[in-house]
Amino acid sequence: GAGVSQSPSNKVTEKGKDVELRCDPISGHTALYWYRQSLGQGLEFLIYFQGNSAPDKSGLPSDRFSAERTGGSVSTLTIQRTQQEDSAVYLCASSLVGQVSDFGQPQHFGDGTRLSIL
Amino acid sequence: SQKIEQNSEALNIQEGKTATLTCNYTNYSPAYLQWYRQDPGRGPVFLLLIRENEKEKRKERLKVTFDTTLKQSLFHITASQPADSATYLCVQPYNTDKLIFGTGTRLQVFP
Repeated sequence: GAGVSQSPSNKVTEKGKDVELRCDPISGHTALYWYRQSLGQGLEFLIYFQGNSAPDKSGLPSDRFSAERTGGSVSTLTIQRTQQEDSAVYLCASSLVGQVSDFGQPQHFGDGTRLSIL
Repeated sequence: SQKIEQNSEALNIQEGKTATLTCNYTNYSPAYLQWYRQDPGRGPVFLLLIRENEKEKRKERLKVTFDTTLKQSLFHITASQPADSATYLCVQPYNTDKLIFGTGTRLQVFP
């Protein structure tokens, strides 16, 4: 498909377990973003990749969260020792270029992974 | 810190009417604003971008305005249809590589 693909679409796990969320961006998009959306809340920025490097990790809530991107394509977001407050929808987006302040490139979103921590 | 405020109350209008959604921002004026549509269980979808030197931008039944004096953007949907029912998000850039999303306004168009 031509869009951003995220997997799994739903994940239910027990508190304390580790989870790995995957994002396949649109081919050719150099910029990739992870967001978190809690019920009734706006999108919360987590991390941004330009190619394989992450210039801005300031949105990661704690050191239990990490992300990587390989080959300028697929990205994984890992949450270790999950807590109930980690329950949310995790959204991934990609765009042709980063530096949103100058270019205003639209972001293309996947449909997210709904994470539920029991 | 920079914030975007959208009316958190749902907007209910009758089919055929014009829906007007408001986005207010604080502090500095952004170089542009974007509007996205989000349906339940789906990711946001980009609709329009308006730059600070543009007063108005149109796309089919959509119209966006940008008033840097009022620090406000208005999003209009003319001849609204039930299929327009969704949550609409106002977005602005922050620093070089972040976007700030508003919490969105839920629009419900009833027949």
